[in-house]
Amino acid sequence: GQNIDQPTEMTATEGAIVQINCTYQTSGFNGLFWYQQHAGEAPTFLSYNVLDGLEEKGRFSSFLSRSKGYSYLLLKELQMKDSASYLCAVRDAGNMLTFGGGTRLMVKP
Amino acid sequence: DADVTQTPRNRITKTGKRIMLECSQTKGHDRMYWYRQDPGLGLRLIYYSFDVKDINKGEISDGYSVSRQAQAKFSLSLESAIPNQTALYFCATSDTPLTGEQFFGPGTRLTVL
Repeated sequence: GQNIDQPTEMTATEGAIVQINCTYQTSGFNGLFWYQQHAGEAPTFLSYNVLDGLEEKGRFSSFLSRSKGYSYLLLKELQMKDSASYLCAVRDAGNMLTFGGGTRLMVKP
Repeated sequence: DADVTQTPRNRITKTGKRIMLECSQTKGHDRMYWYRQDPGLGLRLIYYSFDVKDINKGEISDGYSVSRQAQAKFSLSLESAIPNQTALYFCATSDTPLTGEQFFGPGTRLTVL
């Protein structure tokens, strides 16, 4: 099975940088996803990591360390529209996703 | 047009009623999933299907059933709704297992009184 932990809430200031951490314990690891979800809306794909290291995509970057069971999502130059929940999800050997509880990010002016 | 659609978007019903939530997709994906989302608990898998003849239970299948009528359609039923099934329900699809990225529908907000 999978156990995924991420902070429940975070607050940051517009224009700043924020890092959202995710730790996991898994019986079979086959990749890690980050999704963004605005309140009442569907989750949308942000990033995917299967190898150790940093994946950069515009203002968003995602890092993975498989040996430590650890990932983070880095958001730069925060904008008010980045206020949302960020979901960490681990894919297992059967290609099924297990989601963490999500981190609600509030961006303040 | 949206690639993954869900109907209804909102539903209020009473305890004991039978409810069906429908999901359709135009992405041509074989794999379809039903999740429920509760505050602080993330997305939990109810049922999934890898093709029309394949149905599998997820983490929390008790009290639910599904039907895969076609590659593009996957319905979730609550045979006798109860208040703790009040939640936001999402349908999702994915293609090959190479990436496993899942594409979500807009969700159905279900309230059971």
